[in-house]
Amino acid sequence: DIQMTQSPASLSASLGETVTIECLASEDIYSNLAWYQQKPGKSPQLLIYYANSLNDGVPSRFSGSGSGTQYSLKINSLQSEDVSIYFCQQNYDSPPTFGGGTKLELK
Amino acid sequence: EVLLQQSGAELVRPGSSVKISCKASGYTFTDYYMHWVKQRPEQGLVWIGRINPANGNTVYAEKFKSKATLTADKSSNTAYMQLSSLTSEDTATYFCTIWENWGQGVMVTVSS
Repeated sequence: DIQMTQSPASLSASLGETVTIECLASEDIYSNLAWYQQKPGKSPQLLIYYANSLNDGVPSRFSGSGSGTQYSLKINSLQSEDVSIYFCQQNYDSPPTFGGGTKLELK
Repeated sequence: EVLLQQSGAELVRPGSSVKISCKASGYTFTDYYMHWVKQRPEQGLVWIGRINPANGNTVYAEKFKSKATLTADKSSNTAYMQLSSLTSEDTATYFCTIWENWGQGVMVTVSS
């Protein structure tokens, strides 16, 4: 199985700040990488697919980048509603596998 | 609007089985694989398997091959997952998803 290593595990940032979350795959996943946001008690919501494509309705302050084994999610101008857990997921190879998650809190 | 409506929370005894449902609406049910994902409290997401509702073909993660059984009913646009021989390790929230959309999750609690 492809291992997804996500960092940091937790992150504290101020309103208006820019934050970056990283995801490292154990092998090349050819940009088959998605990012999800999960708020407490809710189901995950797709933010980014194919590494850098913004899902419909997702604010433009979210962006994804990367290739090969290294990927990142950037949130510009952090808003209070962005407090969540973020997961990366590879869907290049079966089984699909997820990163361990990054808990984003407000400072 | 795409909706995946899952059944309600379950409290089940160790050693028993449970079957949870996921009713799809707002899209053509047979056009997308239905995936199932497990999330233990305060933990990450684990893929269980997926079913092709068009023909019933299934693929399971290795560790769930003897735990989960996925089925789908095209006539009612509903996917099902049965979990057997339940233990405390199966206490979790279970989601159905087509990746772009997720059900609200079903919390399964295994307790005597």
